[in-house]
Amino acid sequence: DAGVTQSPTHLIKTRGQHVTLRCSPISGHKSVSWYQQVLGQGPQFIFQYYEKEERGRGNFPDRFSARQFPNYSSELNVNALLLGDSALYLCASSRIPGQGAQPSYNEQFFGPGTRLTVL
Amino acid sequence: AQTVTQSQPEMSVQEAETVTLSCTYDTSENNYYLFWYKQPPSRQMILVIRQEAYKQQNATENRFSVNFQKAAKSFSLKISDSQLGDTAMYFCAFMNNAGNMLTFGGGTRLMVKP
Repeated sequence: DAGVTQSPTHLIKTRGQHVTLRCSPISGHKSVSWYQQVLGQGPQFIFQYYEKEERGRGNFPDRFSARQFPNYSSELNVNALLLGDSALYLCASSRIPGQGAQPSYNEQFFGPGTRLTVL
Repeated sequence: AQTVTQSQPEMSVQEAETVTLSCTYDTSENNYYLFWYKQPPSRQMILVIRQEAYKQQNATENRFSVNFQKAAKSFSLKISDSQLGDTAMYFCAFMNNAGNMLTFGGGTRLMVKP
């Protein structure tokens, strides 16, 4: 089975521009989560979506938004880019998150990431 | 809010030897999940091992095992018979019972030397 896929692999933007990152989950996975990983740090949670609904949001400004489509793929949008948005953006998919789910259903499988550079 | 701390920014080990990576966390929840992820230079985050907080038995996956001390909020990873391919960043991560987010530590860079 194919793993989590993300596009593009690399992206270079300038300050003030807008960017859209894309993610396709593992087949059968209905939840997608987004993380930002600044160089030298651990990933920081941005959003989680399940069945097209937002289930969790991290401490990120409103310039960050996301959505999930009927086929469970997802987009992360960032407006008015700042230099500090330069990072590796990771997408992770899981089967069904939440209390009561089998533990393995909460496991998040990560994609290769999109490296965003803001100049 | 949960926090995860990895106090060892870098570690090295000789091939075939054993190394232990430390992780502590803070939470007020009673049910949760803990994970160790490996991130090699290729950037792909790979799940190494998982522990459910309600299980007292420590998880084991081949050469990888954990020492889970719930009262002390400690979750260390032991790698036995270290291999060159184990060279990577290792991240400890906490997942709440709602299962909607992972909180990561700052990572430990492990170098396995031949």
